[in-house]
Amino acid sequence: NAGVTQTPKFQVLKTGQSMTLQCAQDMNHEYMSWYRQDPGMGLRLIHYSVGAGITDQGEVPNGYNVSRSTTEDFPLRLLSAAPSQTSVYFCASSLGPFWPQHFGDGTRLSIL
Amino acid sequence: KQEVTQIPAALSVPEGENLVLNCSFTDSAIYNLQWFRQDPGKGLTSLLLIQSSQREQTSGRLNASLDKSSGRSTLYIAASQPGDSATYLCAVKSGSGSARQLTFGSGTQLTVLP
Repeated sequence: NAGVTQTPKFQVLKTGQSMTLQCAQDMNHEYMSWYRQDPGMGLRLIHYSVGAGITDQGEVPNGYNVSRSTTEDFPLRLLSAAPSQTSVYFCASSLGPFWPQHFGDGTRLSIL
Repeated sequence: KQEVTQIPAALSVPEGENLVLNCSFTDSAIYNLQWFRQDPGKGLTSLLLIQSSQREQTSGRLNASLDKSSGRSTLYIAASQPGDSATYLCAVKSGSGSARQLTFGSGTQLTVLP
């Protein structure tokens, strides 16, 4: 039972670089979300998806892009990295909007 | 806009003590409330989920209660153990349509001393 798998676990980028954070789940969950966690601010929703081909913006979507071509995968793209995007990123999935969310172990991202 | 507050931010107790963690939210129109545990450098583990129609949920030594009208939830941990040391987060599901989302508190960092 892999659950929610995030790669990479750590990444250091330079300002202006782009990259993709990977998220995969093997529980056949329709709902998937991306959050960022910053000290003193809790977790904030970046983007979410209610099923393959359907995505929507959360609270802090600027500078990020997502797509959902399969049920299993929900990658998060940083278009042009900025120091303000230094954070821990979590991917989560659930059966539906009112079911418990399952989280990956996170990607720790530093932008220099 | 929904806001979730957890007080205290940190708590230290001796092993064996019963303790209560608090969570408050500003908009009582919620679908559910979820308590999570987060260990250092790890993701969030779901502990309990209370639907808006429920008053409490129990799992082992954990009991979570929900009072929607007052905008409060408590997580009760019985007979605390050093292994319970972690950060505990509460989150509420609220909003409608595309705005429906989970809003998190900043967490309570619990240390149980042996």
